[in-house]
Amino acid sequence: EAGVVQSPRYKIIEKKQPVAFWCNPISGHNTLYWYRQNLGQGPELLIRYENEEAVDDSQLPKDRFSAERLKGVDSTLKIQPAELGDSAVYLCASSYPARNEQFFGPGTRLTVL
Amino acid sequence: AQSVTQLDSQVPVFEEAPVELRCNYSSSVSVYLFWYVQYPNQGLQLLLKYLSGSTLVESINGFEAEFNKSQTSFHLRKPSVHISDTAEYFCAVSGAGANNLFFGTGTRLTVIP
Repeated sequence: EAGVVQSPRYKIIEKKQPVAFWCNPISGHNTLYWYRQNLGQGPELLIRYENEEAVDDSQLPKDRFSAERLKGVDSTLKIQPAELGDSAVYLCASSYPARNEQFFGPGTRLTVL
Repeated sequence: AQSVTQLDSQVPVFEEAPVELRCNYSSSVSVYLFWYVQYPNQGLQLLLKYLSGSTLVESINGFEAEFNKSQTSFHLRKPSVHISDTAEYFCAVSGAGANNLFFGTGTRLTVIP
């Protein structure tokens, strides 16, 4: 079984530039999560999808962050414009509906200069 | 809401010595508890989980954790560590039946040869 796939693995951009991250969850996992992990911290949930629907986006900074999961499979997280404080690792995870075990991808390490 | 406290940010231990990584949680509802491990430049991997039943749960690589409701703790233990156990360990909690995970700040375990 293939795991959660994320790309790119690393991204370096200048502040005010846009950036996008892509995630392909494990096949059959209807629930998809985006987390942000700051240096020395645990992951913090940004948004959770059940199929195409964003059911919890309360922690997503909506002024600059957006996400989509148009066909209920892969997902894209976008930041526009990026700020220095957005430097972090962005993790994608997936799970079966109503199941508590989340499977994580390797993450995208974003550096904003 | 739930929260997790991992008091030890770094734990150095000699190879073949025992180790305990501490985790305390706060919640007003029944909880599920998890330990995830993160190796360098990799995503999080589930190590073990407590959902219900026996309060002592074990992983396949010798780790165990015990759910203690009265002390609101879920400490991780291993009687004899290996070099390969060097990693970051995260404790996480969710409300029973809920999807969202709340992570602690992590404990970096370093096994010294």
